[in-house]
Amino acid sequence: AQTVTQSQPEMSVQEAETVTLSCTYDTSESNYYLFWYKQPPSRQMILVIRQEAYKQQNATENRFSVNFQKAAKSFSLKISDSQLGDTAMYFCAFMKHGVYSNSGYALNFGKGTSLLVTP
Amino acid sequence: SAVISQKPSRDICQRGTSLTIQCQVDSQVTMMFWYRQQPGQSLTLIATANQGSEATYESGFVIDKFPISRPNLTFSTLTVSNMSPEDSSIYLCSAAGHRTDTQYFGPGTRLTVL
Repeated sequence: AQTVTQSQPEMSVQEAETVTLSCTYDTSESNYYLFWYKQPPSRQMILVIRQEAYKQQNATENRFSVNFQKAAKSFSLKISDSQLGDTAMYFCAFMKHGVYSNSGYALNFGKGTSLLVTP
Repeated sequence: SAVISQKPSRDICQRGTSLTIQCQVDSQVTMMFWYRQQPGQSLTLIATANQGSEATYESGFVIDKFPISRPNLTFSTLTVSNMSPEDSSIYLCSAAGHRTDTQYFGPGTRLTVL
């Protein structure tokens, strides 16, 4: 079974600063996907960024980027130029790749990191 | 990305009753899923809704408690049956289209059972 660990329950950052959220995972799979989702108080789960394990290049989406260390099983999210609208719960998630089976497309989520962006 | 809506957005129900939650996607999708998010917790997959066949349930979830329908490629329902206060959670629907490795989520249904 895959486990996802987010060791920072809460974090705070000032507007315009940079913050990094950590995520580690445990798996015996060699091919898989990793995601960061954002859940603001509206509770809508929003996809922030995705990474395919076979790609060495770190994914980036505007102000969001990841540091993917496959050997260390680490997948951290960096938010640059933080904005007030970035205040949310951030979830790291893992999904194994392959032929569909029971749980084949299940997203395994970490417990989340609550990020507060202050003025 | 798919746009997903859910109804109702929230409800307060009495113990022993049932509630059906609807999930509508704005385009045909390959996969649809139902998750539960208990208060202050992360998301747990309940089941995969299969079009035209029985849903595939995860360990700890059973069809009698959480019957699911998926009559077509854009719509699914989840029923929470014989509810107890322990069922108070947010229930989220997600969908994956042609790119089945990425799931998009609906806004969730906040259920409170008294």
